[in-house]
Amino acid sequence: GENVEQHPSTLSVQEGDSAVIKCTYSDSASNYFPWYKQELGKGPQLIIDIRSNVGEKKDQRIAVTLNKTAKHFSLHITETQPEDSAVYFCAASGGYQKVTFGTGTKLQVIP
Amino acid sequence: DTEVTQTPKHLVMGMTNKKSLKCEQHMGHRAMYWYKQKAKKPPELMFVYSYEKLSINESVPSRFSPECPNSSLLNLHLHALQPEDSALYLCASSQAGAYGYTFGSGTRLTVV
Repeated sequence: GENVEQHPSTLSVQEGDSAVIKCTYSDSASNYFPWYKQELGKGPQLIIDIRSNVGEKKDQRIAVTLNKTAKHFSLHITETQPEDSAVYFCAASGGYQKVTFGTGTKLQVIP
Repeated sequence: DTEVTQTPKHLVMGMTNKKSLKCEQHMGHRAMYWYKQKAKKPPELMFVYSYEKLSINESVPSRFSPECPNSSLLNLHLHALQPEDSALYLCASSQAGAYGYTFGSGTRLTVV
């Protein structure tokens, strides 16, 4: 089955700096890669996603890159703000019924 | 309506109790999911319903019994749970196909 590794497990950045979270996957059949943000006491929220036919996608301060050859994908957050503090999960999927989540990154943005 | 609504938000139950968790969405999503999440861990898939039919059961113990009465509702019936079943139970929905999930806020379950 699919295996998704995520690094780092914790990340502290100063407000205004950039944050990068990296994930690798094992199954070359995976073709959809969503990222979720989970705030304390809430369910995960989809923040951005990328499909295997695209190398990069941006949405305001958030961007995701995908390297299919190396089987890795990354989340980039620029100009971080305190409200970006949360746990972020990457995920990989070859079909909608089974999504494999990474182990999560706790991001702390220090004001 | 772009939300998944879960009730109750918190539940404390004894090991001999029977209770149910409820999940509702009105986005027209035809896939619905139950996940279990322990503290500081990623969500762990339990069940998938596709077009109101159970399509995946991730070897979940029979003390958890899912039900999908219609395309908008998903229930999880609980019976004779163990303390180790204490966790956050998340419901999610999605379009059929490779799309992102919309998660509810979860039910925080404590088994005493």
